[in-house]
Amino acid sequence: GQSLEQPSEVTAVEGAIVQINCTYQTSGFYGLSWYQQHDGGAPTFLSYNALDGLEETGRFSSFLSRSDSYGYLLLQELQMKDSASYFCAVRDGGFKTIFGAGTRLFVKA
Amino acid sequence: GAGVSQSPRYKVTKRGQDVALRCDPISGHVSLYWYRQALGQGPEFLTYFNYEAQQDKSGLPNDRFSAERPEGSISTLTIQRTEQRDSAMYRCASSLMRTGDEQYFGPGTRLTVT
Repeated sequence: GQSLEQPSEVTAVEGAIVQINCTYQTSGFYGLSWYQQHDGGAPTFLSYNALDGLEETGRFSSFLSRSDSYGYLLLQELQMKDSASYFCAVRDGGFKTIFGAGTRLFVKA
Repeated sequence: GAGVSQSPRYKVTKRGQDVALRCDPISGHVSLYWYRQALGQGPEFLTYFNYEAQQDKSGLPNDRFSAERPEGSISTLTIQRTEQRDSAMYRCASSLMRTGDEQYFGPGTRLTVT
């Protein structure tokens, strides 16, 4: 079957760095995306990796290792507003996008 | 500019009724996706359109669910003979590229079947 695994919850303090991991098992693979969703809101796009390596966008970075079927989202200089759910998503060999169950990040003062 | 819009935002219907959920994507976006999202879960893929062509409907749960995008812009997801298990948040997303790597989500329609 097709699945994405990510931790259900992560807690960190303001100003710290946190890493949210994602491992995937899909019939095909074109790339790994990350989305943020605040309570009551819609998912918003954060980053996309098609090739191995690290992509940096401000305080957020995303990493992919295709050989390990693994990626992570790195959030630096955590702020209270970063408290949200984070989803990894994979486009399979066709047009279907599969989302993980999400990681709920709690940022403490 | 305007983002993805969906209507209605909330819909309460009685079991057995048909409902139509509308999605207005970002202008010029080629790809359109429909998802269903349960509380505390990630979006679950339902179907995908490339312009007006429905190229993947593998996620539609059964034949009571259908979707169309006749002019390659606005899309409608229709659920016939609704059942209580259909109650969920239904979201659509659009993407500029056919690859859909960066998707923009609408606010969703909260459907409640009583």
